[in-house]
Amino acid sequence: QVQLVESGGGLVTPGGSLRLTCAASGFSFSDYYMSWLRQAPGKGLEWLSYTSNSGYSVHYADSVKGRFSISRDNAMKSLYLQMDSLRAEDTALYYCARVTFWSGYYEDSWGQGTLVTVSS
Amino acid sequence: EIVLTQSPVTLSLAPGERATLSCRASQSVSNFLAWYRQKPGQAPRLLIYDASNRATGIPARFSGSGSGTDFTLTISGLEPEDSAVYYCQQRTNWAGTFGQGTKVEV
Repeated sequence: QVQLVESGGGLVTPGGSLRLTCAASGFSFSDYYMSWLRQAPGKGLEWLSYTSNSGYSVHYADSVKGRFSISRDNAMKSLYLQMDSLRAEDTALYYCARVTFWSGYYEDSWGQGTLVTVSS
Repeated sequence: EIVLTQSPVTLSLAPGERATLSCRASQSVSNFLAWYRQKPGQAPRLLIYDASNRATGIPARFSGSGSGTDFTLTISGLEPEDSAVYYCQQRTNWAGTFGQGTKVEV
């Protein structure tokens, strides 16, 4: 079955950097667009970024544009999120998710998340 | 930015009852709307896509309806395991926004 496992979260000081990894299995990773989303403690969901199946097309939410970078390695079946210039408001549980296209496109499988805490 | 407003904020019902959750968009999203369920300590799970289609493995007691700006998720025959927060999401573009969630207590 589809499995997505995030890693790389942790405690980082404001202005610091962190790289998240999402390891995929159970499906043909190179056929799917992938997304990163996050959920601040006790709050709702926020979509952050997507990458096309080839990695050539990417898009970011305004809140992270210029600071975060999404990438993927289809041979390694891995998705990445490079996070720079981190702020306290970036503290959240970060999820990777697979995107499936119907009439619209939605995140149909999610990992369990990795926690990022930005604090001095 | 399209804002999704969910109501009610909290819904407390007994097992076997029917839950009706609402999601209203600030402008038309056509049928590009999904519903997710998030149980405590778990990742969200896709329930409904394109407003009315059940995702793989979702039982028939979950149904979605609506188009344009007004959408409804109905859960028939509530079970204790349905206790969760339910989110709607619009996808008229990649920066799809989520509603603030409805907490269902069974």
